[in-house]
Amino acid sequence: SQQGEEDPQALSIQEGENATMNCSYKTSINNLQWYRQNSGRGLVHLILIRSNEREKHSGRLRVTLDTSKKSSSLLITASRAADTASYFCATKMRASGSRLTFGEGTQLTVNP
Amino acid sequence: EAQVTQNPRYLITVTGKKLTVTCSQNMNHEYMSWYRQDPGLGLRQIYYSMNVEVTDKGDVPEGYKVSRKEKRNFPLILESPSPNQTSLYFCASSLAGADTQYFGPGTRLTVL
Repeated sequence: SQQGEEDPQALSIQEGENATMNCSYKTSINNLQWYRQNSGRGLVHLILIRSNEREKHSGRLRVTLDTSKKSSSLLITASRAADTASYFCATKMRASGSRLTFGEGTQLTVNP
Repeated sequence: EAQVTQNPRYLITVTGKKLTVTCSQNMNHEYMSWYRQDPGLGLRQIYYSMNVEVTDKGDVPEGYKVSRKEKRNFPLILESPSPNQTSLYFCASSLAGADTQYFGPGTRLTVL
């Protein structure tokens, strides 16, 4: 079963705007990760936030985690056309070894 | 270059004709995994392997087999493919217990 659920399923914005994607999950986690997938390609790891962290930044990316609500958000600031891709959250549960459970993804389109 | 490779990248076959999709990584990773990606369903794990000769079912293992005779290779076998196995398949690998997975470029399989 899918651990993560993301919304929106699709998001279309103009270049320069910020994009926010949300992910909810069901069980306790060790960490939550965000991956990016360009059309038809493999996933690429973007950023990881651990269960004891609340916010993390990496360049134009900002991730928040609210373990009480079992939710996370990914904010991409000052978006560019090259940010157009699908974005997936993935959760790693405690005692799951290396297993990740992926959400259904958000398709982001950044219009030039 | 550190990478995960998959072959073939594209395959069209017919129902019942056995096929194998190969996956190889050159990073000495212990953990390897197969996912399938379908519209609206995100990535679902098929099988995973914690190390050589250690494999286990993921969320959607029916109709698939795997083997892990060598550390670098993790082939996915479809003994009798059916049209509902038409999908985009990804192989991924990581160090044991590591948080980040590295993905292959994907194999698009069509079963007629």
